[in-house]
Amino acid sequence: DIQMTQSPSSLSASVGDRVTITCRASQGIRNLLAWYQQKPGMAPELLIYAASTLQSGVPSRFSGSGSGTEFTLTIGSLQPEDVATYYCQKYDTAPLTFGGGTKVEIK
Amino acid sequence: QVQLVQSGAEVKRPGASVKVSCKASGYSLTSFEINWVRQAPGQGLEWMGWMIPKTGNTGYAQKFQGRVSMTRNTSINTAYLEVSSLRNEDTAVYFCARAARGLRGDDYYYYMDVWGKGTTVIVSS
Repeated sequence: DIQMTQSPSSLSASVGDRVTITCRASQGIRNLLAWYQQKPGMAPELLIYAASTLQSGVPSRFSGSGSGTEFTLTIGSLQPEDVATYYCQKYDTAPLTFGGGTKVEIK
Repeated sequence: QVQLVQSGAEVKRPGASVKVSCKASGYSLTSFEINWVRQAPGQGLEWMGWMIPKTGNTGYAQKFQGRVSMTRNTSINTAYLEVSSLRNEDTAVYFCARAARGLRGDDYYYYMDVWGKGTTVIVSS
């Protein structure tokens, strides 16, 4: 099975900072990747699919890029409401493995 | 509005089974796939499998093969996850999620856009 590895596992940044999270697949998955945000005590929410397509209603400060084995999620200007854990998920073939998550906090 | 309403928390003994329900509201269950994802305390998300409610076809992560069953009752717009032979390590929040699959331009997509609030299952003797 393809493994999904996220880095860093956690980060702390200031309001207004640009934040980048990386997700690496152990084998190429084209652009078949989604990103989810999970706030404490809540269900995950879809941010991005097809590696770079923003889900309707998601703020434009979120963006995704990448293809093959390396992907990034960028928060252009970190806001207090972005405190959450972020997960990538591959969907090329089953199993639809999630990355281990990146916890984002405000400094 | 479109939502998935899950059943309430459960406490089970090791070796028992649990059945969690997920009722679709605001759309027809058969129009989208349903995935089940679980999250152990303090841990990340773990994909368990999917079901195509229109046909009843299912696909399970290898880890859960033989111990998990995903079913549906289309007359009441409800999907179910049953986990048998429960172990302490099955203690987790279980989420159902609606999934859409298709092609948009050159991009194939598969995403989970509506999630239930989760059902806590505690396995303890």
